[in-house]
Amino acid sequence: NAGVMQNPRHLVRRRGQEARLRCSPMKGHSHVYWYRQLPEEGLKFMVYLQKENIIDESGMPKERFSAEFPKEGPSILRIQQVVRGDSAAYFCASSPGRELSTDTQYFGPGTRLTVL
Amino acid sequence: ELKVEQNPLFLSMQEGKNYTIYCNYSTTSDRLYWYRQDPGKSLESLFVLLSNGAVKQEGRLMASLDTKARLSTLHITAAVHDLSATYFCAVHLNYGGSQGNLIFGKGTKLSVKP
Repeated sequence: NAGVMQNPRHLVRRRGQEARLRCSPMKGHSHVYWYRQLPEEGLKFMVYLQKENIIDESGMPKERFSAEFPKEGPSILRIQQVVRGDSAAYFCASSPGRELSTDTQYFGPGTRLTVL
Repeated sequence: ELKVEQNPLFLSMQEGKNYTIYCNYSTTSDRLYWYRQDPGKSLESLFVLLSNGAVKQEGRLMASLDTKARLSTLHITAAVHDLSATYFCAVHLNYGGSQGNLIFGKGTKLSVKP
């Protein structure tokens, strides 16, 4: 059973470009979470999605950031018109969602975004 | 707003010694996680603690939870170099019937020296 997969692992963009980060959850998992980690910091929640639905986007910046988890295919975190402050590691996690009281989130390897 | 505070943030230990990492959180929660992160790597789930008085052990690591004090501890016994990593506690934020999200502490960077 493959773990959570993210690609690309490293992404370099110039200011003003768009960044697209992909996340394929573990097999059988229907819940996806995106987190951002700045250097020497803990992870900050961004958005929680189920298939075709955004459940909680309270951690998502209001502008330039969007996320989706379509019926088919990976979840996508999209950052438009990137700025240097967007440079960070972006982690995706997934959970099965079957047992709310014990659901553990399993993390992918992360995408390290560098904005020049 | 739920806040999660870990201390210490940096810990340098000698092999063979014992130490405890503390995680305080500011409001009620139904579960608490400990994760390990190696440099440049993802997070590995270590423990999930669900109830007051819960204690879990894996090898040289033992985690406990006191929901009344809103405190979790991660105790390291007879540290070895392989335990060098950053350890995060994360508290589950549950509201409105949804699963919610995890609120992470800033992490404790552990360095075990021979």
